[in-house]
Amino acid sequence: EVQLVESGGGLVQPGRSLKLSCAASGFTFSDYNMAWVRQAPKKGLEWVATISYDGSSTYYRDSVKGRFTISRDNAKSTLYLQMDSLRSEDTATYYCARLQLSTFAYWGQGTLVTVSS
Amino acid sequence: DIVLTQSPATLSVTPGESVSLSCRASQGISTSIHWYQQKSNESPRLLIKYASQSISGIPSRFSGSGSGTDFTLSINRVESEDFSVYYCQQSYSLPLTFGSGTKLEIK
Repeated sequence: EVQLVESGGGLVQPGRSLKLSCAASGFTFSDYNMAWVRQAPKKGLEWVATISYDGSSTYYRDSVKGRFTISRDNAKSTLYLQMDSLRSEDTATYYCARLQLSTFAYWGQGTLVTVSS
Repeated sequence: DIVLTQSPATLSVTPGESVSLSCRASQGISTSIHWYQQKSNESPRLLIKYASQSISGIPSRFSGSGSGTDFTLSINRVESEDFSVYYCQQSYSLPLTFGSGTKLEIK
């Protein structure tokens, strides 16, 4: 069974940093591209970043480029999102997702990030 | 960026009715559209990929159609567990984008 478990969310002040993790199990992690998708409170879904199966390619939405870094450790079957210079508009539940033919085929349960002073 | 416009924003139906949800893309995207269901306080779930391809484990009452700019998610005879929010998503080009969602509620 595919499982994705996010962690690392919490309350953080504007301008500070936070690192999210996503532990994967139930599949060969190194075979799949992975992504982060976020959802602001009571709002819709927003793609954040994607990383290729081997970590060689990364893609970001414009609003997080230069502030967020997606990475992975295939030996640990873990996906990361380093978030720097956080803004109030980054407040959201962050979901880890396994990509399959460009669809978000499996999702984690999400971790809430609140950016507030 | 490709904008996806979903309509209606809210759809009120009685269980047993059949419904159609619309997703319109701001430019042609072939069949690179996927549909997700999100129940309250849960993660999204993939329902349909590439406009009309079924997903293992998803009930057969869910189906999709369309190509180019106009797409439809159909639910044949809505059941109580189907009342949730539905999103479309395009994978034609980056940034990947989602529609704003259609909330299916009980009349």
